[in-house]
Amino acid sequence: KQEVTQIPAALSVPEGENLVLNCSFTDSAIYNLQWFRQDPGKGLTSLLLIQSSQREQTSGRLNASLDKSSGRSTLYIAASQPGDSATYLCAVNDYGGATNKLIFGTGTLLAVQP
Amino acid sequence: EAGVVQSPRYKIIEKKQPVAFWCNPISGHNTLYWYRQNLGQGPELLIRYENEEAVDDSQLPKDRFSAERLKGVDSTLKIQPAELGDSAVYLCASRQGWDTQYFGPGTRLTVL
Repeated sequence: KQEVTQIPAALSVPEGENLVLNCSFTDSAIYNLQWFRQDPGKGLTSLLLIQSSQREQTSGRLNASLDKSSGRSTLYIAASQPGDSATYLCAVNDYGGATNKLIFGTGTLLAVQP
Repeated sequence: EAGVVQSPRYKIIEKKQPVAFWCNPISGHNTLYWYRQNLGQGPELLIRYENEEAVDDSQLPKDRFSAERLKGVDSTLKIQPAELGDSAVYLCASRQGWDTQYFGPGTRLTVL
């Protein structure tokens, strides 16, 4: 059974700092991996999607990497801003694509202090 | 373009009462998902629809939960009777083809 773990559970950094969020998964047979952002009282917003054949994806100040063989992904946020404060969730899509079943980690709660 | 719409946004009920949640997916999205998110946890899939067919409901507690997606558009998730442990946020998401899933804002259920 696929299990997804995120470390740390919570993180507080001063504005402008670069930071890394970690995600690990137990079964390397994944179709893709996604990073989501969740603001309080709101749904999830997809940030980056990495296909199993890819090593990384970039969007603005965000960079996500994927090492499928070791079951790890990282989300790098450059020059953090208070507006980045949110919960960040990692999710893997089980192999077979057609099911597109996302299995989520428990999330990292990020607070960026002004 | 409107995103995934859910209602109500909040619901407080007493245990043993019934409750229903409604979801309107993004227009043209044939795949619809219901997730449950407990406090401090990631969402967990309850059921997935392809058009009007439920193709993955293995994690839906069928003794008290039911769902339907008539005409392959809107969907309703029902709990009857509700238990204290059902308190959570219920998220609906939709997808078209191989695109990412788009999530609604969720319904926060509190069972007293």
